[in-house]
Amino acid sequence: KAGVTQTPRYLIKTRGQQVTLSCSPISGHRSVSWYQQTPGQGLQFLFEYFSETQRNKGNFPGRFSGRQFSNSRSEMNVSTLELGDSALYLCASSLQGASNQPQHFGDGTRLSIL
Amino acid sequence: AQTVTQSQPEMSVQEAETVTLSCTYDTSENNYYLFWYKQPPSRQMILVIRQEAYKQQNATENRFSVNFQKAAKSFSLKISDSQLGDTAMYFCAFILLPGGAQKLVFGQGTRLTINP
Repeated sequence: KAGVTQTPRYLIKTRGQQVTLSCSPISGHRSVSWYQQTPGQGLQFLFEYFSETQRNKGNFPGRFSGRQFSNSRSEMNVSTLELGDSALYLCASSLQGASNQPQHFGDGTRLSIL
Repeated sequence: AQTVTQSQPEMSVQEAETVTLSCTYDTSENNYYLFWYKQPPSRQMILVIRQEAYKQQNATENRFSVNFQKAAKSFSLKISDSQLGDTAMYFCAFILLPGGAQKLVFGQGTRLTINP
């Protein structure tokens, strides 16, 4: 069974641009969560989607948004990019999204803002 | 709010030695899960071991075991017979039950190096 797939693996953007990251969960998994990883702030929860609905959201500005499609694939969008948005963005999927189900992570997208 | 603290930014041991990574957490809730994740240079977060808070017995997975002290809110990871492939960042994480939300709260991580 294929794991969680994130594309692209690397991305370079400039301030003010917008970006879309993609995450394909493990087949059959319906919950997709997104995390931001930076050296200063560590790993922080962005949001979670289940059955095309955002179910939980972390403490990030409205420039960060996401969506989930009927096939459970998810996209994350960041608008008006800032230097501080440079980070590794990790996506994780789980079967039903219950708290007691382990999350399986992808390799992440490394976003660099110039 | 829940917080997770890993007090050891870096650790280094020789191959085949035993190493213990520390983790403390803070919550006023009673039902939760605790996890240790490993992140090698390849970047993928890999689940090492998990512990249900309502279980008194410490979880074990082959060479990996935990020492869960609920009253002290402590959750340390012991790696026995360490191997070169254990070199990675290790993150302690916490999730509340129930609620169906998949919001993991992570510590800052411990960089573990296994030397030959």
